[in-house]
Amino acid sequence: QKEVEQNSGPLSVPEGAIASLNCTYSDRVSQSFFWYRQYSGKSPELIMSIYSNGDKEDGRFTAQLNKASQYVSLLIRDSQPSDSATYLCAVRGQNFVFGPGTRLSVLP
Amino acid sequence: EPEVTQTPSHQVTQMGQEVILRCVPISNHLYFYWYRQILGQKVEFLVSFYNNEISEKSEIFDDQFSVERPDGSNFTLKIRSTKLEDSAMYFCASSDSGGGSYNEQFFGPGTRLTVL
Repeated sequence: QKEVEQNSGPLSVPEGAIASLNCTYSDRVSQSFFWYRQYSGKSPELIMSIYSNGDKEDGRFTAQLNKASQYVSLLIRDSQPSDSATYLCAVRGQNFVFGPGTRLSVLP
Repeated sequence: EPEVTQTPSHQVTQMGQEVILRCVPISNHLYFYWYRQILGQKVEFLVSFYNNEISEKSEIFDDQFSVERPDGSNFTLKIRSTKLEDSAMYFCASSDSGGGSYNEQFFGPGTRLTVL
C-alpha cells in the first residue's frame, strides 16, 4: 500500500510567521509531488508542484523535496489569515495519492 | 481563466438508484480523473481516462462504476446501484499531461452525492 503521510494538525501560527508543512511518502519510484490547498467544503486548489530535489519558490510559497529521505515540505512565508485551510500533499507514483492533509490556522 | 466545471453541485438519490455525475474538463486538456472525498477523510483516486479509455483505476473503482466521454466536452462518472457508503464529494480533475513527471491536475468544484 503506497502511503502519503502528513501531520493532521491543527498547526497554528501567528500572522506574519512562517508556516512549515511536512509530508513523507512510501513509494520510492514517485516522480512528482504537489501541494494543494483545500478550504472547508471546497475542492483542492493547486499551489505548487516540484519534481527535482531541492527548493522551488513561488511568491510566498517554497516547496522542498528530498527524494533520498522521501520527504517533501511546503513553507509559507508571511502567513496570512486567508492561508488558513487544509494543505494536501499529493504524490504521483504509479497512481496519484493524496495525504490526509494538515490543517493550518493563521491567527490574526 | 479556464476551469473545470461539474454538475450537479448536489445530488440526492435513493439507495440502489443509478446516478451520473457530469464534468466539463478544461478544453485543451487530454487527461481526466475522478476522485472522491468522504466527509472528513482524504481525497481518494478513483480513475484516470485518456484517449477514450481508462488508463488507471483504483481498488475503489469496481464494477459499480463506469466512466465515459460521450462527446467532445463532457466526462461522466456513472454509479450503478448506489450504496449508502457512496455518499461523498466527487471531484473531477483534468491535466494537459499524463504520467511521468508532469501531471498538474486542476480540480472542479465537486458534486456532493448523498445516498439515502
